[in-house]
Amino acid sequence: GDSVTQMEGPVTLSEEAFLTINCTYTATGYPSLFWYVQYPGEGLQLLLKATKADDKGSNKGFEATYRKETTSFHLEKGSVQVSDSAVYFCALSDLGGNTPLVFGKGTRLSVIA
Amino acid sequence: KAGVTQTPRYLIKTRGQQVTLSCSPISGHRSVSWYQQTPGQGLQFLFEYFSETQRNKGNFPGRFSGRQFSNSRSEMNVSTLELGDSALYLCASSLGTSGAPTDTQYFGPGTRLTVL
Repeated sequence: GDSVTQMEGPVTLSEEAFLTINCTYTATGYPSLFWYVQYPGEGLQLLLKATKADDKGSNKGFEATYRKETTSFHLEKGSVQVSDSAVYFCALSDLGGNTPLVFGKGTRLSVIA
Repeated sequence: KAGVTQTPRYLIKTRGQQVTLSCSPISGHRSVSWYQQTPGQGLQFLFEYFSETQRNKGNFPGRFSGRQFSNSRSEMNVSTLELGDSALYLCASSLGTSGAPTDTQYFGPGTRLTVL
């Protein structure tokens, strides 16, 4: 079945550091890929998405590129802020964006001033 | 446009009781999906409703059920609660266009259920 593997956390960074959270996937079809973020005590917010190979999703300084050849969708940000502290989830949706999302286990990011 | 709303935000129940959670999707969205989030199992798909019909179902026991109304609002019910049902239950809505890769699920804030 479909699956998503993302790097284990927690990740602790100083403010203005470079962030990479690795995500790889296994899918039977041609999935859409997503990054969601969860702030403490809240639900999931869509951070960015990509629906086909070589697409780059971007939002709030975060970027991720859909790499079909390496089945990866790594999340990057050039300069993190304390307000980026949250749990980040990589997810895929096979056969179209409204089919069930398959999530990675999440990576907790803490940014210290 | 208002986001996905879920009520109640917090619930405390005892084992053996039943509970009903409610979700109102984004206006115009016809698909509602439910997910369970626990520290041990992470985020797991429960079921999806589209136009009042269950379209997809995850691997959960029959104690977990749901329904969708004609206005796309959805409820999920858990009967005979067990301690392991303690979790954050998240609802997500989307347009529901079948096979559309650009469709996206938007999540509500969740209902935190504690079973004592």
